[in-house]
Amino acid sequence: AQSVAQPEDQVNVAEGNPLTVKCTYSVSGNPYLFWYVQYPNRGLQFLLKYITGDNLVKGSYGFEAEFNKSQTSFHLKKPSALVSDSALYFCAVRVIATSGTYKYIFGTGTRLKVLA
Amino acid sequence: SAVISQKPSRDICQRGTSLTIQCQVDSQVTMMFWYRQQPGQSLTLIATANQGSEATYESGFVIDKFPISRPNLTFSTLTVSNMSPEDSSIYLCSVRRGGDEKLFFGSGTQLSVL
Repeated sequence: AQSVAQPEDQVNVAEGNPLTVKCTYSVSGNPYLFWYVQYPNRGLQFLLKYITGDNLVKGSYGFEAEFNKSQTSFHLKKPSALVSDSALYFCAVRVIATSGTYKYIFGTGTRLKVLA
Repeated sequence: SAVISQKPSRDICQRGTSLTIQCQVDSQVTMMFWYRQQPGQSLTLIATANQGSEATYESGFVIDKFPISRPNLTFSTLTVSNMSPEDSSIYLCSVRRGGDEKLFFGSGTQLSVL
């Protein structure tokens, strides 16, 4: 089955330290991978995507993600965390539905807490 | 970016009643998705609603319980029928516009069923 997994329910990091939020995937064919963020009492926002090209993709708010085909991973990273980065982060993958169109499956989410 | 207006933002409903959630997009979109999210939890895809075709439902979701309409390229509704407390959740509409490989989300409808 095609899926995406986020093994950590919560990640705590001190402000100014680098952060990593993990994501692994299982899809057939070339993966289309995404990260979304959900701030408290706000809607989901797109952060970045990987479709093809460089394995390191850069996105909004200083975030980046590294695509690793051999490890089937797409970890989200940021060199220096801010308290304002505290939010719920979702990894997602585009898969082909039985109807032949596309659909997007989300991971279980990782709550990032940046401590001052 | 796409601006999505989702209504109502929240509602408290009685068991056995139905609620229709509306999603209006500021531009024409081909693909529209309806998700359900428990607060602080993951998103579960209910169905995909493409204009001009029947909605495609995910396993565990059926048309009788969650009928969807998609009358044009800017509008869709999701009805939660014969509600029970287990239907209490946040319901989100989402669109993918054109060839842009990213989703835009409405602000969600927080539903509580008593």
